[in-house]
Amino acid sequence: GAGVSQSPRYKVAKRGQDVALRCDPISGHVSLFWYQQALGQGPEFLTYFQNEAQLDKSGLPSDRFFAERPEGSVSTLKIQRTQQEDSAVYLCASSHSGLTYEQYFGPGTRLTVT
Amino acid sequence: AQSVAQPEDQVNVAEGNPLTVKCTYSVSGNPYLFWYVQYPNRGLQFLLKYITGDNLVKGSYGFEAEFNKSQTSFHLKKPSALVSDSALYFCAVREGPGGTYKYIFGTGTRLKVLA
Repeated sequence: GAGVSQSPRYKVAKRGQDVALRCDPISGHVSLFWYQQALGQGPEFLTYFQNEAQLDKSGLPSDRFFAERPEGSVSTLKIQRTQQEDSAVYLCASSHSGLTYEQYFGPGTRLTVT
Repeated sequence: AQSVAQPEDQVNVAEGNPLTVKCTYSVSGNPYLFWYVQYPNRGLQFLLKYITGDNLVKGSYGFEAEFNKSQTSFHLKKPSALVSDSALYFCAVREGPGGTYKYIFGTGTRLKVLA
């Protein structure tokens, strides 16, 4: 079946621009996570949704970062007024239910801020 | 606070030899532990997990890991390495029941299996 998809795969933004990154989780997966992965590092937790409810956003680095999942399926991570330090790969993952289940990751969106 | 340490940036092993990729963790209460693998230009793939029960868990592609509570470790092992096992491996932890939803990943260990 279809896995987690993310779009765009690559995004180049000028400093100060707003960007929106999309995640399509596996159908029926209740839980959705966003991560930021800097070069040479492991994924860092940004935020977590259970259906449409954002239950944890403690990892969002600043108030320029905003995530939503209005209908409990597709999610969008928005970054306003991008800065060079936002350059990273943004990963989305979904899991079936509860939080003991493994996560299925998308291929990521590589964001480069120039 | 939760944390994960993967003390080796890179592990080299000859094909056919056993391999070990190390992981230690710190978490409040009982941990949920995971291993993921990342191949070039591909997303992270789940290998195995420890939630409860037997300390030795078996996963995909012949990998296994042993949960050691006293040493707070969850090392990844395979009895006989393949060249195709060469990839980047990540250990992850989250708090068990009643804990936060946050998963913490290690910095990764690059495994190179030499023919």
